[in-house]
Parts: sequence; structure tokens; C-alpha cells
Amino acid sequence: AQTVTQSQPEMSVQEAETVTLSCTYDTSESDYYLFWYKQPPSRQMILVIRQEAYKQQNATENRFSVNFQKAAKSFSLKISDSQLGDAAMYFCAYSTDTDKLIFGTGTRLQVFP
Amino acid sequence: EAGVAQSPRYKIIEKRQSVAFWCNPISGHATLYWYQQILGQGPKLLIQFQNNGVVDDSQLPKDRFSAERLKGVDSTLKIQPAKLEDSAVYLCATEAEGEGNTEAFFGQGTRLTVV
Repeated sequence: AQTVTQSQPEMSVQEAETVTLSCTYDTSESDYYLFWYKQPPSRQMILVIRQEAYKQQNATENRFSVNFQKAAKSFSLKISDSQLGDAAMYFCAYSTDTDKLIFGTGTRLQVFP
Repeated sequence: EAGVAQSPRYKIIEKRQSVAFWCNPISGHATLYWYQQILGQGPKLLIQFQNNGVVDDSQLPKDRFSAERLKGVDSTLKIQPAKLEDSAVYLCATEAEGEGNTEAFFGQGTRLTVV
């Protein structure tokens, strides 16, 4: 069975600094997708970034980038130039073509001015 | 484009009572999911619909939970009777049809408290 593990329950960063959130996963599939979702207090899950496993190039979206290590089954999220609005729960998730998402337990990110 | 609409936003019920949640997907989205998110955990899939057919309900506690998606549009999730451990946020997500893995859009969820 596929599993997603986030070992950092909480992280904190100062405004304008960089922070990295960790995620590892387990799967026997060769084709799959990995995601980082942001969940603010409003509870709505917002997609931050996604990575297709067949792509070697790490995905980037503005201040957000990932370090995808397929052999190590590691998928970390780097947030550069952190902003107060980045404070939220961040969930790492896995999916295949069946589309259902398997989530980790989340990391609470605090951003200090 | 309107997002995924869920109601109610909050619900408090006593154990053994019944409750229903409603989800209105983004127009044209064929796939609809219900996830349960217990406090301190990530969301877990309860049921997945493709149009009005069930694709995956392996994690749905069928003795007390039921879900339907009439006409392949709106969906309702019901719990009868509720237990204390059903206290959670219930998230609805929908996706358009497409090749490979397409983006899921989430509603704001319903926070259920069972007392």
C-alpha cells in the first residue's frame, strides 16, 4: 500500500527567509504524481505544486520549488522569500492515474515577522 | 469559475443522530470525492464517484455512512447513526475528466462535531 510520511509536525521561518518541508513516500508504482497542498484556517485545500514522477526536472512555481529524489522516494518543498500569508498547514500527497489522493499528516508552518 | 460549494460549514449533533452534507461540484467536473479529515491528520478518501457511478468506496464505513450522486452532479454524504469518532472535517473535491492525473479542486469542508 502507498504511504506518505511527513516527519515535521511544525516548522517556523522568519519572513523573507527560506524554509524546506520534508516528505517521504512509499510505492511500488513507477508512474505516479506528487503534490504539495496548502490548507489555511479556511480549511480549503489549495494546490501549491505538483510533480510527475516520470519528469526528472524539479517543478517550480514562483517562490515554491521541490526537490524530487525518486530513488530515495523523497519529495521536499522549498519556500523562498517566505511571506506571512504562507502560514498554514502543508500536506504532501501522492496519486496515480486513478486520481485519488493519499495525504501525509501535515506540517504546520508558522511565519514570523 | 465558481468553486466547489459545500454546506453546511459547521454542524454539531449528538451521538446516534443523523447528519447529511451536501456538495455542489464545479460545473462539468465528472469526478467527485469525499474525504474525511480528523483533527491532526491528513484527509482520507471515503468515496470516489465518476459521474453518478461509484469508483472506490473501499474505505467508507458502510454500516453508517452512505453517499449518492444523483444525475452525476450534486452529491450528499450521510452518517446514520453518528459516533463520537466521526467528529472531523468532511471535504468534497472535484476534477474534470482528462488524460492522466488532473487537478482536484476542494471545497471549504463541513466541520462536524459529535457530542
